[in-house]
This record gives sequence, C-alpha cells and structure tokens, in this order.
Amino acid sequence: ETGVTQTPRHLVMGMTNKKSLKCEQHLGHNAMYWYKQSAKKPLELMFVYSLEERVENNSVPSRFSPECPNSSHLFLHLHTLQPEDSALYLCASSPTPRGGAFFGQGTRLTVV
Amino acid sequence: LAKTTQPISMDSYEGQEVNITCSHNNIATNDYITWYQQFPSQGPRFIIQGYKTKVTNEVASLFIPADRKSSTLSLPRVSLSDTAVYYCLVGDENNFNKFYFGSGTKLNVKP
Repeated sequence: ETGVTQTPRHLVMGMTNKKSLKCEQHLGHNAMYWYKQSAKKPLELMFVYSLEERVENNSVPSRFSPECPNSSHLFLHLHTLQPEDSALYLCASSPTPRGGAFFGQGTRLTVV
Repeated sequence: LAKTTQPISMDSYEGQEVNITCSHNNIATNDYITWYQQFPSQGPRFIIQGYKTKVTNEVASLFIPADRKSSTLSLPRVSLSDTAVYYCLVGDENNFNKFYFGSGTKLNVKP
C-alpha cells in the first residue's frame, strides 16, 4: 500500500457515458498527478495539481476533465470517450517532485 | 527538460547483482535523479533518489558520477520477483511538470 487509493479499479463504459475516476491520499502531499498508460507505451503525464491549482495540462483532450477539490482528493471526469482512450489511468501524489511520487494501483478503463 | 536514455531490456539470473545505467547528458544543476519500479498493471513504485555520489537504502543503491551525466541503479542479489520495468527520471523540485517517464528498462530475472 502506497497511501494513494484509486477507485474504481476497473471500469467499462460506453462512448456516450459520463463517469468519474477518484483518487485519494492522506499522506499530506502537496502535489497530485494523473497519468495515462496505454498498452506497451510509456506513462503519459496528463495533469498536475500543486496545492489544488492546476500547474500542468499536457494537451489532453477536453473529454478528460480533472478536478481537485482539496489537497487530498483528485478526480478525473470522463465524457464521450473513444475506444483509444482505453488504458490504465494512474494517480500519484508527492510532497514535492524531489520527494518522489507515490502511485495508486490505477483504474483499468475500457471504452466500448 | 532533461532527457534520459536507458537500455530497453536486460536479462539476469536469480542471486546476481544487476546494474542498470541511465544517461542524462543535459541534466540541470537543480535536478535530482529518481528511479521507479513498475510491475504489470500496477502503478510505479519509488525505489531511490539521489543528487550525487552514492545513495543506499534497503532495496537498492544509486551511483552517480561527479559529472552527473549518468546514474546506475544497483539491485543486489535479484530474485524472480524483481522482474519489472525500471524507470529513471530527472527533475527538480521547482518544476512539477518534470515527472516524465521514458520507456524504461525491462528487467527479466531467470531462475
């Protein structure tokens, strides 16, 4: 256990659905991240939040919408996704980048 | 943004020491070097971090030469459960957007 919890662990959704991924950490970390990992590809950094403010948005399509209501919680809202969005979505937190990132177990998303 | 280069894959046998080297020729003065381990369908796990010389913890050692243009992760006496992908990252504490992962090194430990 890393102290970063993601729910759900698995999600199957249709292209017209709206769903949300949740990430929670009680490590007192200031930064939280969303990554996407497609099959046999490197992790792609999607969003970074520092002290609840978004500091990085790596040209992610608008069908992915992050939300950070407080320093312990991070959401990724999903709507009108495409099959190519099927991937492992990972949340991470860190005290600072120098302290290293702690990852959750991920949500395996399948878009049908 | 400092780019890292690692071997795509490595093979080893149980009980051997494994050294994985990462090149980061344009590392910046404020950058730290961090290594992660990832098993299939799991999030990466922080292994070790260093700035210069040598760092050791209960899992691994990290060797960084004086010019800091490369680093070597050393895993003592590997076991089958060490089969995973190992990633090397460089970044500094003032730039949260530097947590970029490359392709990593796939370590295959054989019996």
